[in-house]
Amino acid sequence: DAGVIQSPRHEVTEMGQEVTLRCKPISGHDYLFWYRQTMMRGLELLIYFNNNVPIDDSGMPEDRFSAKMPNASFSTLKIQPSEPRDSAVYFCASSFPGRPQHFGDGTRLSIL
Amino acid sequence: SQQGEEDPQALSIQEGENATMNCSYKTSINNLQWYRQNSGRGLVHLILIRSNEREKHSGRLRVTLDTSKKSSSLLITASRAADTASYFCATVPSGYSTLTFGKGTMLLVSP
Repeated sequence: DAGVIQSPRHEVTEMGQEVTLRCKPISGHDYLFWYRQTMMRGLELLIYFNNNVPIDDSGMPEDRFSAKMPNASFSTLKIQPSEPRDSAVYFCASSFPGRPQHFGDGTRLSIL
Repeated sequence: SQQGEEDPQALSIQEGENATMNCSYKTSINNLQWYRQNSGRGLVHLILIRSNEREKHSGRLRVTLDTSKKSSSLLITASRAADTASYFCATVPSGYSTLTFGKGTMLLVSP
């Protein structure tokens, strides 16, 4: 069975541009999580969904960040406008309720 | 904010030796999980221990949990070069359903 699939794997763009990160969770998983990983702050939970509904977005750093899950097999994390401090590795993970999370291989984002 | 804090931050050992990593946390928990992250990859779940369990084994991994001290340890026995990775503990605080990760221990196993 395919794992969590994220795209793109790498993204380099200039400050001010819109960035869209994509995630396909494991089929059947009810929960989807978006994380950000940096050396300084470690792994931070940004937002999570249950059955396509956003449950907690308190980790989203600013209004420049938004996330959607239009259906059970697809989610996006959008940054508009992007800033250099948004540079990080962004992970998507999915799981069944109360079960361990399965992570994608992340998107390495660099904002110049 | 970080719930779990791993110790040490980095560990370097030879193949065949045992590696022990520790994790401390601040609040009561439902369970504690350990994950591994290879360079450039996502996190991979290793083992989950519930708050009412004290020890759990999986292959070469042994995890202990002391809820009175709010701490856990991960022991990897007979380490291999392929065990080189970062190891994270993550807690599910009581009353919550999401994970809070520590900053991890970087393990280097030299042949």
